[in-house]
Amino acid sequence: SQKIEQNSEALNIQEGKTATLTCNYTNYSPAYLQWYRQDPGRGPVFLLLIRENEKEKRKERLKVTFDTTLKQSLFHITASQPADSATYLCAPSSGGGKLIFGQGTELSVKP
Amino acid sequence: EPEVTQTPSHQVTQMGQEVILRCVPISNHLYFYWYRQILGQKVEFLVSFYNNEISEKSEIFDDQFSVERPDGSNFTLKIRSTKLEDSAMYFCASSDVAGETQYFGPGTRLLVL
Repeated sequence: SQKIEQNSEALNIQEGKTATLTCNYTNYSPAYLQWYRQDPGRGPVFLLLIRENEKEKRKERLKVTFDTTLKQSLFHITASQPADSATYLCAPSSGGGKLIFGQGTELSVKP
Repeated sequence: EPEVTQTPSHQVTQMGQEVILRCVPISNHLYFYWYRQILGQKVEFLVSFYNNEISEKSEIFDDQFSVERPDGSNFTLKIRSTKLEDSAMYFCASSDVAGETQYFGPGTRLLVL
C-alpha cells in the first residue's frame, strides 16, 4: 500500500539557519508533490507544488526538490524565522483530486 | 483574497445525533473536498466532489456520511448518526484544478459525547 514518511521527530533549529524537511514515499509514482503548512487548530495552507519533471522549485525563502528515483522530496526554508514554526505536510499525488498527507514534521525555530 | 469558510467553528453533539457541517468554497472553484483530522493524527481524505457528484471517497466515508451542494455556494457534509470516534476537526477544501493547490477552510471541531 502507499506509504508516506516524514521526519517523525520535531525539528528544532536556530533562527537564521536553514531547515530541511524530508518526505519519502513508497509504492506509488506521483505525478506531482505538494507541501502545505499547518498551524495548531488551523487548516493546511498550500506552499508549493512540484511536478515529476521538475527537479527543483523555489518561492521566496522556500525550496523544494523532487527525486523520483529516490522517491523523496526535500523541503528547505532558508533564513528561518520564529514565524516559520509550524507543522509541514507533504502530499505526493498521482492526480485525480484527493490529497494523501504524510503525518507532518513539526518545525520549531528558536530566536 | 478569496477564502473557504466553514460553519460552525465548533459543534458538540450527542452520540447518535445527526450533524451537518457547512462550507462555502471559493466561488470559481469546481472541485470540493472534505478531510478530517483526529486530534494528534494526520489529515485524512474523506471525499471529493465535482459536477454535483462524488468523484472519490475513502473507506472512512461510509453510509453514515453524505455530501451535498444544495445551492450554488454551499457544500455540506452530513453525518447521519454520530459515533464517539467521529470526534475530529473537519476541513473543507476547494480547488480550480482537480487535486492541485487546495484551499482549506478553518475547520469545524466536532465533539461527540
